Amino acid sequence: AQSVTQLGSHVSVSEGALVLLRCNYSSSVPPYLFWYVQYPNQGLQLLLKYTTGATLVKGINGFEAEFKKSETSFHLTKPSAHMSDAAEYFCAVSVGFGNEKLTFGTGTRLTIIP
Amino acid sequence: DAGVTQSPTHLIKTRGQHVTLRCSPISGHKSVSWYQQVLGQGPQFIFQYYEKEERGRGNFPDRFSARQFPNYSSELNVNALLLGDSALYLCASSPSRVRETQYFGPGTRLLVL
Repeated sequence: AQSVTQLGSHVSVSEGALVLLRCNYSSSVPPYLFWYVQYPNQGLQLLLKYTTGATLVKGINGFEAEFKKSETSFHLTKPSAHMSDAAEYFCAVSVGFGNEKLTFGTGTRLTIIP
Repeated sequence: DAGVTQSPTHLIKTRGQHVTLRCSPISGHKSVSWYQQVLGQGPQFIFQYYEKEERGRGNFPDRFSARQFPNYSSELNVNALLLGDSALYLCASSPSRVRETQYFGPGTRLLVL
């Protein structure tokens, strides 16, 4: 069975600083990996996804993530934090051809310090 | 284009009651999945439907059921509500069931008293 671990339930960074949100996965087959963002009282919005090919994936709002198979990681980064980045971030994995089930991590709440 | 829509947005029920949540997928999408998000946790998979048939089920009791209609909209039904069923229920749609991106609706927030 697949699983996702997000290290750090809360992360605080200063405006303009680097954002790094950590995600490690467990999967017996090549995974598809996703990062979603959730703003207060809203649903989930896709930031980026990795399926196959290039391991560095660029997403919306300046975010990117790198798939590292040897480390089973898919960390999310943004060079310069903006106040509007404050939200909950979820890493998710999908495995198995024909099985769209997403398995989510427990989330990381990102706070931006002015 | 309209995104995934869900109704109602909020709902308050008492223990033992029944609830029906509704979801309309993005136009052209044939797959609908349901997730439960308890406060402070990540979403948990409940069901996936594709072409009106159940294609996947998560670890939820039989009190939870769902169906998909010919127009690909979907309903999630929960019987004999428990306090622990209080959560945000999210619907997601995708074009098919082949590991494509799932697009989420805004959710229905259910409070069971």
